[in-house]
Formats: sequence, structure tokens, C-alpha cells
Amino acid sequence: EAGVTQFPSHSVIEKGQTVTLRCDPISGHDNLYWYRRVMGKEIKFLLHFVKESKQDESGMPNNRFLAERTGGTYSTLKVQPAELEDSGVYFCASSQVGARGRGYTFGSGTRLTVV
Amino acid sequence: DQQVKQNSPSLSVQEGRISILNCDYTNSMFDYFLWYKKYPAEGPTFLISISSIKDKNEDGRFTVFLNKSAKHLSLHIVPSQPGDSAVYFCAASVTSGTYKYIFGTGTRLKVLA
Repeated sequence: EAGVTQFPSHSVIEKGQTVTLRCDPISGHDNLYWYRRVMGKEIKFLLHFVKESKQDESGMPNNRFLAERTGGTYSTLKVQPAELEDSGVYFCASSQVGARGRGYTFGSGTRLTVV
Repeated sequence: DQQVKQNSPSLSVQEGRISILNCDYTNSMFDYFLWYKKYPAEGPTFLISISSIKDKNEDGRFTVFLNKSAKHLSLHIVPSQPGDSAVYFCAASVTSGTYKYIFGTGTRLKVLA
């Protein structure tokens, strides 16, 4: 089966610009998660979708971040306007409902650099 | 306030020897734990998990031990191989609808040939 796909793999933008990250989960996976890793720190939870609904968005840093999941398929994460501290690697992960035993499947991530 | 801590940023081990990676947690509500492995420029990949009702889980060369009273878990890799060189993340969750995992900062393992 195809894995979790994220693009772009890298993005360099200037402070104040807008960037949109995209994630295509594994087909049939209702759970979709966004995580972020900043400069060698922990992989930090941002939010969780079940199908098209936001189940938990407690990790979203502020209202400059907007996540959507159209029709319960792919998801986008928009940062507007971007700030320097938003730099990091953004990971998307997906899983089937109730499939806890093997954790999530992660994508390769999008490395965002804000200059 | 970090609920999952990996206090060793790096570890070097000779090929064929045992690698022991440690993880401590503070939230006594955590009831499920996982280890992920991450190679450069790739996403983390699932390695092994353990439920809080167990104290040990084994999968080939990988064994995870859980000490609930000490709020400590460890990953043992025996024997270590050069291909095991990667960053290892410990993660924990509370049984709930979200299955949200809280990750540690990772330990970089280098297995020397």
C-alpha cells in the first residue's frame, strides 16, 4: 500500500509569507495527525482529525495555523503569516480507527525554514 | 513541562553488543508506550510497543521493558547492528479517543562496526 505522502518536502519562505503544507494519508485511514519537530527537540503534537472533523487541536501554537481536511481525505496545514519560530519539520501521520497496536504511519515530513 | 524525557541525547555502541535506550515519564495516566526509529530525512517508523498491563515485550532483537513504579521504560537491542544507527523516540499515550502520543526528544544511537 502507498504510505503517507507529504509535500513539499522542503519549503523556504520569508517571514510574513504564507505556506501551505499538504498530507495524503494512507487510503482508508480515518485518523490523521499533524506533529512538528523544532531544532532537535521533541516531536510535538499539533492536532488530530477523525475523517473531516477536528478531534483535538490542543497543540496548535496560535491562530496563525489553520488545518483542514477536505472530505476526510487529504489534509492541509496553512501558516499565515509565517514567523521565524515556525521553522521546523512538520510530520503528518495516519492510522485506522482502533489500530493502536502499531502506532501511526508517519510521512517523511516537510522541512519548513522561515528566513 | 515535558512529560516524556529521554535524558541521553546520544549513545555509541560496538556492533554485536547490547544497546540500551532509556525513557522516563511523569504522567501516571499513560497506559501505552511505543518506540519509534528515525533515519535522516525520513519520518519516524514504528518499532515496538507495550501496554501498561505488561512489563516486557519482545520482537526479535528488540525488547521493551516497562517499570511502572519508577515510570521508566527502556529499549534493548541485542545484538546491535550498524543499520540500527538512527534516532530513537520514546512515546506515550493515555487511552482516549484521540490516541495522541507524547514524544520524547530522542536518543541518537550510533553502532560502530
